[in-house]
Amino acid sequence: AQRVTQPEKLLSVFKGAPVELKCNYSYSGSPELFWYVQYSRQRLQLLLRHISRESIKGFTADLNKGETSFHLKKPFAQEEDSAMYYCALSPSGGSNYKLTFGKGTLLTVNP
Amino acid sequence: EAGVTQFPSHSVIEKGQTVTLRCDPISGHDNLYWYRRVMGKEIKFLLHFVKESKQDESGMPNNRFLAERTGGTYSTLKVQPAELEDSGVYFCASRGHNTGELFFGEGSRLTVL
Repeated sequence: AQRVTQPEKLLSVFKGAPVELKCNYSYSGSPELFWYVQYSRQRLQLLLRHISRESIKGFTADLNKGETSFHLKKPFAQEEDSAMYYCALSPSGGSNYKLTFGKGTLLTVNP
Repeated sequence: EAGVTQFPSHSVIEKGQTVTLRCDPISGHDNLYWYRRVMGKEIKFLLHFVKESKQDESGMPNNRFLAERTGGTYSTLKVQPAELEDSGVYFCASRGHNTGELFFGEGSRLTVL
């Protein structure tokens, strides 16, 4: 069975500090990994996916198959980054994009 | 372009009653998903439609839940009869044909008393 673990329920940093939101997964194949974000009073939206290898809003995430991790990083956090972040996994090889979510990490960036 | 819309935004019902949630996906999106977040737990997959067909309904909790997507446009999720443990936020998402990005609605919060 596939599983996504986000060990930190809450994470608080100061503006300008680096931030890393941890995500570990278990899956027997090669999954596709995503980070979704929900800002206050907004809907859940895609932040980035590992196959795109993009930096979105200064965030990056590298898939580490050896450690089965997909940690989200940003070198200098901004107050507007405060939000709920969800790591999600989709089985590879299929087209259904049936996502398995972690429980989420609430990031607070303090001024 | 309008996003995924869900109705109602919040529903409060008593145990044993029936509730129907509605989702209007982004126009042209063949793929429609229902997810649910129960308090304190992760967002969980319920089912996936491709047009009007159920592609995967492995996440549906039990036969008190019925999802439909007649005509391949909007979808409804009916809970009958509702139980206390059905309380949570029900999310709908849609996806276009050649993209892996899911677009979520704002969710329908269901409270069963």
